[in-house]
Amino acid sequence: QVQLQESGPGLVKPSETLSLTCTVSGGSMSNYYWSWMRQAPGKGLEWIAYIYYTGSTNYNPSLESRVTISIDTSKNQFSLRLSSVTAADTAVYYCARGVEVATPFPLHYWGQGTLVTVSS
Amino acid sequence: EIVMTQSPATLSVSPGERATLSCRVSQSVATNLAWYQQKPGQAPRLLIYGASTRATGIPARFSGSGSGTEFTLTISSLQSEDFAVYYCQQYNNWPPGTFGQGTKVEIK
Repeated sequence: QVQLQESGPGLVKPSETLSLTCTVSGGSMSNYYWSWMRQAPGKGLEWIAYIYYTGSTNYNPSLESRVTISIDTSKNQFSLRLSSVTAADTAVYYCARGVEVATPFPLHYWGQGTLVTVSS
Repeated sequence: EIVMTQSPATLSVSPGERATLSCRVSQSVATNLAWYQQKPGQAPRLLIYGASTRATGIPARFSGSGSGTEFTLTISSLQSEDFAVYYCQQYNNWPPGTFGQGTKVEIK
């Protein structure tokens, strides 16, 4: 059973960079897309970015200028960096994997989520 | 920009009754639509993809239908564990992974 676990600071100051890592266990990263999603408090779900195991990336246009997603298959990890954060970036951040090989969506395996608060 | 509209925003249903949730998309997405269930404090759970295919382990009381711009999630007989928020997601058009705003299914 594939499991994902997010890790990273729960508090980030405005204008700084949010950095999160997702560790994958119970399966290989090969042949799959790996995604970051977020959900602001009381709000809906927003796709941030996804990366293929080869390193090919795609970003939500609304966040693209501030987002970097990367992958390290040797460590079974992928990461998110979001720069110049504001209070609007306060959210639960989820990492996730697609249901089928070589398709980014829909998302079948999810991490438990980690709350990141942007505040001074 | 593709717009996903879910209705109703809140659905009050008694246990054992049928629930019908709607998702309307502003552009055709063929059958590239998924449904998720989310309970408070939990990650979303994939229920349906390809508009009508149940994900692994999803009970048969959950069914999906539709194509193009109109989709429906039906829960045939609501169980206590089904009270949650349900989201639809399209993955056909750019940007991918667009979600609806959700329908909350609450106990009547």
